[in-house]
Amino acid sequence: QVQLVQSGAEVKKPGASVKVSCKASGYTFTSDYVHWVRQAPGQGFEWMGLINPSGTSANYAQKFQGRVTLNRDTSTSTVYMELSSLRSEDTALYYCAPESPGRGYLGYWGQGTLVTVSS
Amino acid sequence: DIVMTQTPLSSPVTLGQPASISCRSSQSLVHSDGNTHLSWLHQRPGQPPRLLIYKISNRFSGVPDRFSGSGAGTDFTLKISTVEAEDVGVYYCMQATQFPYTFGQGTKLEIK
Repeated sequence: QVQLVQSGAEVKKPGASVKVSCKASGYTFTSDYVHWVRQAPGQGFEWMGLINPSGTSANYAQKFQGRVTLNRDTSTSTVYMELSSLRSEDTALYYCAPESPGRGYLGYWGQGTLVTVSS
Repeated sequence: DIVMTQTPLSSPVTLGQPASISCRSSQSLVHSDGNTHLSWLHQRPGQPPRLLIYKISNRFSGVPDRFSGSGAGTDFTLKISTVEAEDVGVYYCMQATQFPYTFGQGTKLEIK
């Protein structure tokens, strides 16, 4: 059974950085791209970016360019999303979702990590 | 960016009756690989989204056959043949044809 386990909730002050992890259980997503999508409270979804299977390349949404960094540790099947210069508008649930190359859909999602930015 | 527009934004339905949600994209979703990467997701309160339909009309693993998708180009529809209580929540269309992936605003399905 495919499971994606994300790290726990975080509370950060404005200007700080946060790093969220996503680990696959039940399968290895070494061949998959991994996307990050966020959802502000009561709002819809916003795609942030993706990282390739080997972890050598990432594609970021223009809105987050310069503030988000995706990394992956292939030895532990873990992917990381780091968001810097946090502001209150970054308060959201952050989800990871793998995609097999060429599939064009996100079949499995992590449980979400709530990041709260508050002074 | 491709803009995804859903209608209606809210849909009160009676149990056992059909429901339909529309999604329109600001440009064609036909990918260079020939596929149309339009999918539908369902989210219940407090849960992550769940994939229902991919590539317009393909049901994902475990999705009941009361869910069906149709459409082409820029206009797409999700239909539920007979609504059950567990179908409440918010439905989103999503395009994965072009970066950045984008989502519709969501349609809230509630029982009358």
